Amino acid sequence: AQKVTQAQTEISVVEKEDVTLDCVYETRDTTYYLFWYKQPPSGELVFLIRRNSFDEQNEISGRYSWNFQKSTSSFNFTITASQVVDSAVYFCALPGGGGYNKLIFGAGTRLAVHP
Amino acid sequence: GAVVSQHPSRVICKSGTSVKIECRSLDFQATTMFWYRQFPKKSLMLMATSNEGSKATYEQGVEKDKFLINHASLTLSTLTVTSAHPEDSSFYICSARSSDRGAYGYTFGSGTRLTVV
Repeated sequence: AQKVTQAQTEISVVEKEDVTLDCVYETRDTTYYLFWYKQPPSGELVFLIRRNSFDEQNEISGRYSWNFQKSTSSFNFTITASQVVDSAVYFCALPGGGGYNKLIFGAGTRLAVHP
Repeated sequence: GAVVSQHPSRVICKSGTSVKIECRSLDFQATTMFWYRQFPKKSLMLMATSNEGSKATYEQGVEKDKFLINHASLTLSTLTVTSAHPEDSSFYICSARSSDRGAYGYTFGSGTRLTVV
């Protein structure tokens, strides 16, 4: 069955530190997508990235970078030089398969960045 | 870009009353709508999936008579919490998918925080 594990429940860092959020997944599919979302205190989900399993290149977007390791079923997210505005809950997600491709979310990692 | 408008953003209702939450896709046709529920400091749990014009498919353990989902058009889906009780207090969020945006194009509403008193 499809499953997403985010083992880090909460992470606390001081501004300007780098932080990596872990995501490990299980899937029975040979091709699949992986997602990261940010949920600030206001509650809305902010889309960060969608990665196709075909593409194992790491991706960088500003201070954000993602490391996709198919061999270890991991899709980790790194924030470089963290800022207070990065404080949020971050979710990793994977389509659950079936006809509707419902998204299955990990438990989330709550990141607190302190000044 | 694709936008899903979810209303209301916050609602407080009395125990025993019903509350309707709307999600509208503003610039695309939402062939599939997913409804999630999120308890404080918890993850998003899928409640049900609905396709336009069809009955919703509910996840195991979700009471379909309590959480009524209607997806009567390609731009509107509603979730009605019937006879609400304090334990129904939660954050509800919808996610729309359109067949012409690819199988993995999800757009989320901004969520509704329901408090039942």
